[in-house]
Amino acid sequence: ETGVTQSPTHLIKTRGQQVTLRCSSQSGHNTVSWYQQALGQGPQFIFQYYREEENGRGNFPPRFSGLQFPNYSSELNVNALELDDSALYLCASSLRQTGTDTQYFGPGTRLTVL
Amino acid sequence: AQKITQTQPGMFVQEKEAVTLDCTYDTSDPSYGLFWYKQPSSGEMIFLIYQGSYDQQNATEGRYSLNFQKARKSANLVISASQLGDSAMYFCAMRDNLPGAQKLVFGQGTRLTINP
Repeated sequence: ETGVTQSPTHLIKTRGQQVTLRCSSQSGHNTVSWYQQALGQGPQFIFQYYREEENGRGNFPPRFSGLQFPNYSSELNVNALELDDSALYLCASSLRQTGTDTQYFGPGTRLTVL
Repeated sequence: AQKITQTQPGMFVQEKEAVTLDCTYDTSDPSYGLFWYKQPSSGEMIFLIYQGSYDQQNATEGRYSLNFQKARKSANLVISASQLGDSAMYFCAMRDNLPGAQKLVFGQGTRLTINP
């Protein structure tokens, strides 16, 4: 196991609602990245947080937002949910330094939007 | 933009045989990293192996090895002596060095099925 945890495991929401997903990073890691994985696809990068600031964002609209806390845990917030937001949301933690910066993933949160 | 291509949607292999999963990549960045992850049906992405673009030798981790051919821009994963537990989706990924961020760019994946 990686030590990265995510909650909740599963979530069902209706279109237009708001959702918050949570992630606890591996001990000693200072960077958290979020990915969206639609069914049958590879994960797509949403954004990355380092030292409580967003330092990179993929092609996702502003209704996808996030936070990183002093203990390096993180939240992903999605407003005005759309049907296409149904996906597996993966959080990954890493230690930012020169070299590998391997990202270790949590088990994911499966979001269904009805 | 960086791109990863995995051309094998599915692979079927007999237990104890070796298997090679293909991955080609495209980048104009001279410095990059290549990763392989395994995703069982439970959903968690499990890190398997890493290869840096300047590494002189192919990476190995237990039964996993990475056949890195820089000139061909390929980074194939080789699994020796396959086991039933190796059945899963396998993703090749490249680290994209955005200003400030280092995102992973993933391929579409290959579903590997090990038959007893």
